[in-house]
Amino acid sequence: NAGVTQTPKFQVLKTGQSMTLQCAQDMNHEYMSWYRQDPGMGLRLIHYSVGAGITDQGEVPNGYNVSRSTTEDFPLRLLSAAPSQTSVYFCASSYRDWVRGNSPLHFGNGTRLTVT
Amino acid sequence: AQSVAQPEDQVNVAEGNPLTVKCTYSVSGNPYLFWYVQYPNRGLQFLLKYITGDNLVKGSYGFEAEFNKSQTSFHLKKPSALVSDSALYFCAVSFLAGGSYIPTFGRGTSLIVHP
Repeated sequence: NAGVTQTPKFQVLKTGQSMTLQCAQDMNHEYMSWYRQDPGMGLRLIHYSVGAGITDQGEVPNGYNVSRSTTEDFPLRLLSAAPSQTSVYFCASSYRDWVRGNSPLHFGNGTRLTVT
Repeated sequence: AQSVAQPEDQVNVAEGNPLTVKCTYSVSGNPYLFWYVQYPNRGLQFLLKYITGDNLVKGSYGFEAEFNKSQTSFHLKKPSALVSDSALYFCAVSFLAGGSYIPTFGRGTSLIVHP
């Protein structure tokens, strides 16, 4: 059981480039989400999804797009990378019970992104 | 507004001593509270949660947390710290927004356990 898998682990981009961070889970979790972690800022929610075909914005959605075509995958797209998007990105998932606040999140190991 | 605060950026404790990592929250209605731990270069791992019931919640690795409704606190505790407990700890609260419960995290507290 792989859990939540994120790829790549590291990425360096130049300003203006685009890329997609991949996230896949094999636990049949309905809820999936993306966070960014910055020093002193904790974890900030970028986008989330409560099921295939449903996505919504979190606290810091600007500059990022998501889609949820399958239950397993939840890619995060950076349309035009900026230095302010240098961060560590985490994908997290849980059962639908999360929407009632009961189920803990399962996290991937993160993608460390540097934008120069 | 819903929020969670971890007032200490860093907590230092000697091995074998009890430890406390503080968390306070602000949320409308009944709170759902969680603690997570993050080791270097890893994602967060779930430690324990409070939904309803007993105010003292027991979790993984000997950790426990005390829910105090009057003080709106959910402090993480362990009777005897280990060097291997050194990590970053996050408190989280989930709140209802647009029909879904959305988790929000504190800024994290770095726990350093000295040999």
